[in-house]
Amino acid sequence: EVQLVESGGGLVQPGGSLRLSCAASGFALTSYSMTWVRQAPGKGLEWVSYISSGSSTIYYADSVKGRFTISRDNAKNSLYLQMNSLRAEDTAVYYCARVLGYYDSSGYYPIDYFDYWGQGTLVTVSS
Amino acid sequence: QSALTQPASVSGSPGQSITISCTGTSSDIGAYNVVSWYQQHPGKAPKLMIYEVTKRPSGVSDRFSASKSGNTASLTISGLQAEDEADYYCCSYADSSISVFGGGTKLTVL
Repeated sequence: EVQLVESGGGLVQPGGSLRLSCAASGFALTSYSMTWVRQAPGKGLEWVSYISSGSSTIYYADSVKGRFTISRDNAKNSLYLQMNSLRAEDTAVYYCARVLGYYDSSGYYPIDYFDYWGQGTLVTVSS
Repeated sequence: QSALTQPASVSGSPGQSITISCTGTSSDIGAYNVVSWYQQHPGKAPKLMIYEVTKRPSGVSDRFSASKSGNTASLTISGLQAEDEADYYCCSYADSSISVFGGGTKLTVL
C-alpha cells in the first residue's frame, strides 16, 4: 500500500525557517517524481514545488522561489521541503504527493497528475 | 500564473447530475490534454478522480466523467449521492508555472 506521511510542521515566527519531511512507503521512491502542494486555511490548493526522480529537474511556484528548497533522499525514502524567510501567507497545510509525468507527440510534461497524497502537515507563520 | 476559474459552488439533489466547469487559457487547458480533477472531503487529503482529461483511475466510480472543449474542462457527476458532497479541484499543466489548480468548487447534495 502506498503511504506518504508528512512531518515537521508547526508554529514559526515570520522570517523563520522550517523543514518539512515526507516519508514514503509501499513503492520505489527512486522511480517517481514528487511534489509539494499547499492549502491555506479555508482556501484552495496551490502547487508549490516539483522534483524529478533523480533530483535533476526542480521547479518552484513564483510565490516561493528563492525561499523554499525541495530535495529528496531516495536511500531514506524521503522527500523534504526547506522553508526559509517564512511569511504569514505561507500558513497552510502542506501535502506531499506522488507525481506522474506525461508524454505525447509534442514532448514531455513533468506534471500530469498527482496520484497519491499524504495527510498533510500544518505550518503556521505568526508572531 | 493565475488560478483556473471554477464556480464557487454547485448543488444538486440525489440521483441528479451536475457539471463543474474549469476555465483556463490557451497556455494551460487549451494547450494540453493534461487536466486532472481532485475530490476533497473536509479535513482530508485530495483524491484523484480524473486524469488526462477523461481517464478514471481504478476504483473511481463511473458516475464521474469529464471532458474538455477549448480552454474549458468539465467534470460531470451523475446519479448524485450524499458521499459526493465535497470540494472539487481541477488542475492543468501550464506553460509558465508547470501546474496550476482551479479555485475549487463546493458541491452540496441537497
